[in-house]
Amino acid sequence: SQQGEEDPQALSIQEGENATMNCSYKTSINNLQWYRQNSGRGLVHLILIRSNEREKHSGRLRVTLDTSKKSSSLLITASRAADTASYFCATVPLDSSYKLIFGSGTRLLVRP
Amino acid sequence: DAGVIQSPRHEVTEMGQEVTLRCKPISGHNSLFWYRQTMMRGLELLIYFNNNVPIDDSGMPEDRFSAKMPNASFSTLKIQPSEPRDSAVYFCASSPTGLAGHKSSYNEQFFGPGTRLTVL
Repeated sequence: SQQGEEDPQALSIQEGENATMNCSYKTSINNLQWYRQNSGRGLVHLILIRSNEREKHSGRLRVTLDTSKKSSSLLITASRAADTASYFCATVPLDSSYKLIFGSGTRLLVRP
Repeated sequence: DAGVIQSPRHEVTEMGQEVTLRCKPISGHNSLFWYRQTMMRGLELLIYFNNNVPIDDSGMPEDRFSAKMPNASFSTLKIQPSEPRDSAVYFCASSPTGLAGHKSSYNEQFFGPGTRLTVL
């Protein structure tokens, strides 16, 4: 079963704007990861944030984690048409070293 | 590096037929995962292998599903007999981390392109 819920389910923005996606989860975690899935393709790992971290950056990506609220956000700055994809958060439960539990995903459309 | 390789990319079969999906993980990765993705249920973990041994098969939906990993470079997921509700995209993923290292391990998983299965 899915651990996380993502919000919004779909997001449409203009190229150059920022995109923010949110993820909430239910149980204590080891770490949280964000993945991107282009249409008809497999998932690609974007970034991992550990439970003792609050914020992490990678290029145009910024991820925050609030373990007290059991939530995370992914910010993509200066979006490009190539960022159009579905974005999933995935949590590794505290009692697992391998299990990734995926959220329902956010479909992002970046209009040129 | 070729990444995770899956075959076939598309499979269309009739109800009752046997379906075999194949996966070649990234060389050196000791963890292998099979997932199923549907619109209704999202991404679900079916089975997890570590060093070719099935560790967690709690996600396998029923006895019609079976998975094997005869060696470190090959795994199969078999459905026999197939049913229309098995229609989904099946992903294989591999990871360089295993049970050793536990909670501080880096759990990034590398996904294959998937097999789109349609059972008529």
